[in-house]
This record gives sequence, C-alpha cells and structure tokens, in this order.
Amino acid sequence: SQELEQSPQSLIVQEGKNLTINCTSSKTLYGLYWYKQKYGEGLIFLMMLQKGGEEKSHEKITAKLDEKKQQSSLHITASQPSHAGIYLCGADISWVGSNYKLTFGKGTLLTVNP
Amino acid sequence: DTGVSQDPRHKITKRGQNVTFRCDPISEHNRLYWYRQTLGQGPEFLTYFQNEAQLEKSRLLSDRFSAERPKGSFSTLEIQRTEQGDSAMYLCASSPSESNTEAFFGQGTRLTVV
Repeated sequence: SQELEQSPQSLIVQEGKNLTINCTSSKTLYGLYWYKQKYGEGLIFLMMLQKGGEEKSHEKITAKLDEKKQQSSLHITASQPSHAGIYLCGADISWVGSNYKLTFGKGTLLTVNP
Repeated sequence: DTGVSQDPRHKITKRGQNVTFRCDPISEHNRLYWYRQTLGQGPEFLTYFQNEAQLEKSRLLSDRFSAERPKGSFSTLEIQRTEQGDSAMYLCASSPSESNTEAFFGQGTRLTVV
C-alpha cells in the first residue's frame, strides 16, 4: 500500500473557488513537504512543515500539519489558472531528522477552469 | 541560473543501449539525490550523496544503474543495457547539509526506451 495517500487524485474547479488537498500517512511524518509540478517538469518547492499543529501560508496557499503529525492539508483560496498543476506531498517517514530520503504521494492533478 | 541543472532534458534510446545523465546541483549544496518518476506516480528515491560519498542506494537501483559524484560537485547517473521499464523521468535534487531544509529539484531528464 502507498505510504502517503493523497486525496483527491484529481480535482477540477472553477476559477475563484477554494479547494483542499489532503495527504495522510499511517506513520509519523518527520518533515512534510509540499511541491508543485507542471507536467513533464521538475518539482517546485512550496512549503515545509515539521511541528504538530504547524500552519504556513504563502500568497493564497496555506498548508497545515495536524497535531499527531500524520496528516497534512493544502488549501488554496480563490484559485487561479496559474494554480493548475500536480501537487505532491513528500515526507521523511524513515528516520527522525534525516530529511534526505523523501517518500512521495502519487500527487493530485488540479485543473482550474477560467 | 543558479538552480539545479540536468542534462539532457530528453533522451530516446534503443533497448540495450547505455545512457548517462548529468546533474549539476546548486553550488554550495553538499547533498545530492536522484529520484525516478513514472507516469501518474510520485518520485521514488534512488540514491543519495553527501559530498562525494554515496551513502544510500534504494533497492530500485539495480546492478545496471550506477551513480557517481567524483568531486562532490556534479553527479552522473548511468543506466547500462536499458530496458523499456527504465522509461521514466529521472530527477535530481540538492540541499544544504543542514537538517530541516528543503531539497531543490532540477527539471529532470525524460528517458524513453524504444
């Protein structure tokens, strides 16, 4: 089974709508990273969360890590076509503090219709 | 451009041929990683270097795969006797040696084995 489960697998929203993507693990997440990927390109770093209950925001994107450090959510407010892409959560679930070997979810494909 | 650079961006090769990819990390980054990503999946960890030392290799890295980072700067990933199953995006990332920092990814090399 996938160690990091992302939901939904794909999402189509109308421009201006809010949306949430979830990332869930059965193991404690020692560092949770959100990346965005355009099809066929590399990963662009969005945010990193480490502490239980931590929340970070950048422009219209907010990411949270729950208190138990087993689930994270990524919330986009007032979505725009520029937000379209594949959102990937990656986490260090193998060793406290190593942060070098990330396990990734399968990604969530976001489409924003104008 | 001071980001992670990968060359080539695309490679088409016949089954059985050898291929080599190059990654130039961000200059002050000691850590370098290789990941592989197939269609519809998240990146999977292949191997990790701290300076010139290869500290971990995934089971995904069969005997046909070899990675080097001879002077602790650029790295190469070679695949011998390519198979169709090797078709994927090969991603390189780098990060500073300090913990709790994000990895910066290159644009990837897309390999197609025909």
